[in-house]
Amino acid sequence: DTEVTQTPKHLVMGMTNKKSLKCEQHMGHRAMYWYKQKAKKPPELMFVYSYEKLSINESVPSRFSPECPNSSLLNLHLHALQPEDSALYLCASSQAIRQASPSSYNSPLHFGNGTRLTVT
Amino acid sequence: GQQVMQIPQYQHVQEGEDFTTYCNSSTTLSNIQWYKQRPGGHPVFLIQLVKSGEVKKQKRLTFQFGEAKKNSSLHITATQTTDVGTYFCVNAGKSTFGDGTTLTVKP
Repeated sequence: DTEVTQTPKHLVMGMTNKKSLKCEQHMGHRAMYWYKQKAKKPPELMFVYSYEKLSINESVPSRFSPECPNSSLLNLHLHALQPEDSALYLCASSQAIRQASPSSYNSPLHFGNGTRLTVT
Repeated sequence: GQQVMQIPQYQHVQEGEDFTTYCNSSTTLSNIQWYKQRPGGHPVFLIQLVKSGEVKKQKRLTFQFGEAKKNSSLHITATQTTDVGTYFCVNAGKSTFGDGTTLTVKP
């Protein structure tokens, strides 16, 4: 079990559909993440929010649109996806990202169970 | 960027044998994390290493961080079937994953 809740667990959508993935945590974490994981591959970082502000966008196509309405919620809006976007989408949270000279420090990531997305 | 390389990609062992996975970076890492992902599951945090030369143990698991903070290893002593899964090292400063080592254990 995990303290990060993702919905839905499974999603099948056509290339013209608009859908949203949702993620919720109540651990008081102020950093939230979206990862994409293809079969037999490592999770690939997409977006990072820190204190509800987008801090990292790993050159993700605009058909993926993240949103962080408050410190507990993270959404990923999907529009005009391609079949190659089919994957497991993982949400994670961590304590606030601290930028401390001379190095940054990230606390452990807590993952949800993921949303298995299929684009037809 | 600070990409971490991980070897081997796959490791098949007989139950009771030891297992080691290695993580290497071309640049100095501020800190490194290790995660385990069971088949069909999500990554679960195991440990974080911060200091040069640091060694941490969790029962049969031993984690090391190199003196130059460019490499790390995870060693499992006397593997059990419950150890199966993919082990990832993570560049914690960038939240980016290594390629992972998938461990299978034959009873």
